[in-house]
Amino acid sequence: AQSVTQLDSQVPVFEEAPVELRCNYSSSVSVYLFWYVQYPNQGLQLLLKYLSGSTLVKGINGFEAEFNKSQTSFHLRKPSVHISDTAEYFCAVSENRGSTLGRLYFGRGTQLTVWP
Amino acid sequence: GAGVSQSPSNKVTEKGKDVELRCDPISGHTALYWYRQSLGQGLEFLIYFQGNSAPDKSGLPSDRFSAERTGGSVSTLTIQRTQQEDSAVYLCASSIISQANYEQYFGPGTRLTVT
Repeated sequence: AQSVTQLDSQVPVFEEAPVELRCNYSSSVSVYLFWYVQYPNQGLQLLLKYLSGSTLVKGINGFEAEFNKSQTSFHLRKPSVHISDTAEYFCAVSENRGSTLGRLYFGRGTQLTVWP
Repeated sequence: GAGVSQSPSNKVTEKGKDVELRCDPISGHTALYWYRQSLGQGLEFLIYFQGNSAPDKSGLPSDRFSAERTGGSVSTLTIQRTQQEDSAVYLCASSIISQANYEQYFGPGTRLTVT
């Protein structure tokens, strides 16, 4: 089974500072990678996804992530955060095979808090 | 267009009671997923439906949990004889088809509290 690890449960940062949220996964098969954001009392919203091709993926709200196959990582970055980026961020993986097709495996989430 | 909707948004129930949670997927989406979000376990897959195929129930935690999808659209997740450990936010998602590279669109969730 898939395992997704988000190394930091909480990341506090000041406004306009850069941020990196880390994600590592375990898989011996081809995978697709996703980052979702959850604002308070809302559902999950897709930030970005890696399916194939360029390993640097750009998403909404100025976020980007880089797929590193050798390190099985998919870290999320933003060069300058805003207070409105305060939310919980989830890394997710989907296997490209068999009966688990489409099912998402999630990390535990990282709470990003941006301070003024 | 309209997104995924779930009802109720909040449900408080007594231990031992049955509850039903409803999900209305995006029109035209053939795949529907249920996940559970709890403090201790994070986000866990429960079940998914794809068209008329048999559902993948591999994530259901016990036989007290069941789900159905009528007419390929609305889905109901039923929890019988609720326990306190069932307290969680239950999220529903839908996608055009059940393939790994197709985005899942999530509803706002139903917060279940078992007292």
